[in-house]
Amino acid sequence: AQSVTQLDSQVPVFEEAPVELRCNYSSSVSVYLFWYVQYPNQGLQLLLKYLSGSTLVKSINGFEAEFNKSQTSFHLRKPSVHISDTAEYFCAVSFSGGYNKLIFGAGTRLAVHP
Amino acid sequence: DARVTQTPRHKVTEMGQEVTMRCQPILGHNTVFWYRQTMMQGLELLAYFRNRAPLDDSGMPKDRFSAEMPDATLATLKIQPSEPRDSAVYFCASGLDIGQNTGELFFGEGSRLTVL
Repeated sequence: AQSVTQLDSQVPVFEEAPVELRCNYSSSVSVYLFWYVQYPNQGLQLLLKYLSGSTLVKSINGFEAEFNKSQTSFHLRKPSVHISDTAEYFCAVSFSGGYNKLIFGAGTRLAVHP
Repeated sequence: DARVTQTPRHKVTEMGQEVTMRCQPILGHNTVFWYRQTMMQGLELLAYFRNRAPLDDSGMPKDRFSAEMPDATLATLKIQPSEPRDSAVYFCASGLDIGQNTGELFFGEGSRLTVL
């Protein structure tokens, strides 16, 4: 069975500082990895995904994540955060033949302070 | 602007009452998922459908929950009878599965249920 662990429930950070949100997964089969973002009172939106190819994937708003198979990790990073990045971030895993079924981690609340 | 539509956005009801939540997936999407979000449990997968056929509802309490897709434009999640522990935000999500997993699910804004 697949599972996802997000090691930090909350991450406070000052504006323009770098941030890393950690995600580890467990699976006996090959997986696909995702980060979703949830702003207050909204549904989840896809931030970025790793399906195959380059292990470093990037979003349009400056986030990036690197798939590390040996460490079974998919950490999310941003070199300089903005107030508007304040949200909850979910790491998720799915697998081939899984019909897009996503298993989510518990989430990490990123709070960016001025 | 294609999006997943959920109704109602908010529902307050009393214990024992029937609750029905509805979801209109994005036109053309062939997979539909129901998730429940609570502070304690996070995001839990309740049920999902592919081409309107239920694939897995093992995450649902069978005695009180039921999920259906009467047609391609409507998915429903029903709770009967409702209990206070059912209070949560229920999300519907849809996606397109064409044999290659793209992984992108599109979420509705959720139905916030409060059972008193």
